[in-house]
Amino acid sequence: EVQLVESGGGLVQPGGSLRLACAASGFSFSTSYMSWVRQAPGKGLEWVATKKHDGSETYYVDSVKGRFTISRDNAKDSLYLQMNSLRAEDTAVYYCARLYYGDSDYSSFDYWGQGTLVTVSS
Amino acid sequence: IQMTQSPSSLSASVGDRVTITCRASQSISIYLNWYQQKRGKAPKLLISTASTLQSGVPSRFSGSGSETDFTLTISSLQPEDFATYYCQQSYSALPLTFGGGTKVEIK
Repeated sequence: EVQLVESGGGLVQPGGSLRLACAASGFSFSTSYMSWVRQAPGKGLEWVATKKHDGSETYYVDSVKGRFTISRDNAKDSLYLQMNSLRAEDTAVYYCARLYYGDSDYSSFDYWGQGTLVTVSS
Repeated sequence: IQMTQSPSSLSASVGDRVTITCRASQSISIYLNWYQQKRGKAPKLLISTASTLQSGVPSRFSGSGSETDFTLTISSLQPEDFATYYCQQSYSALPLTFGGGTKVEIK
């Protein structure tokens, strides 16, 4: 059974930092692109960052560049998101998701965790 | 690439045929996925590459379209289908973008 379990969310003040973690099981984590996707309260989905399976490539949405860092530990089947200089607009549920690449570079988010809530407020 | 869904919400009855549209701001071939999200839950992948139904997804769901215009159709709405649906393009990885969502509610 595939499982993605996020942890590390919570309440943080503006300007503060938080580190999210995602523990994966039930699929080949070390050969999978992994991503973070967030959803602000009552809003839609927003892709945040992606890390290639071997760590050689990393992508971020413009709004978090320079503030967030995605990393992974394939030996531990774990994905991380270090979030610094947090702003009120970063308040959201953060989902860990696998970005599956099929034939011809088609991709989709096929596995999702249950999400962890990050609240940035004073 | 901007993704625009319509309508943003709709009310329908069990047994109704429901169609949701998604328009891309530029051609994305068939690099289009559909997700279902129920209240308080993670999104679930329903359809990839515009029309490929994922394993275990009921056949009442179908997807069509290419280039800039896509549709998600539910042929006979069931009680468990009341949810919010999102399209997402994977043509351009920077950034990957979702539509704003379509909430399907009970009439």
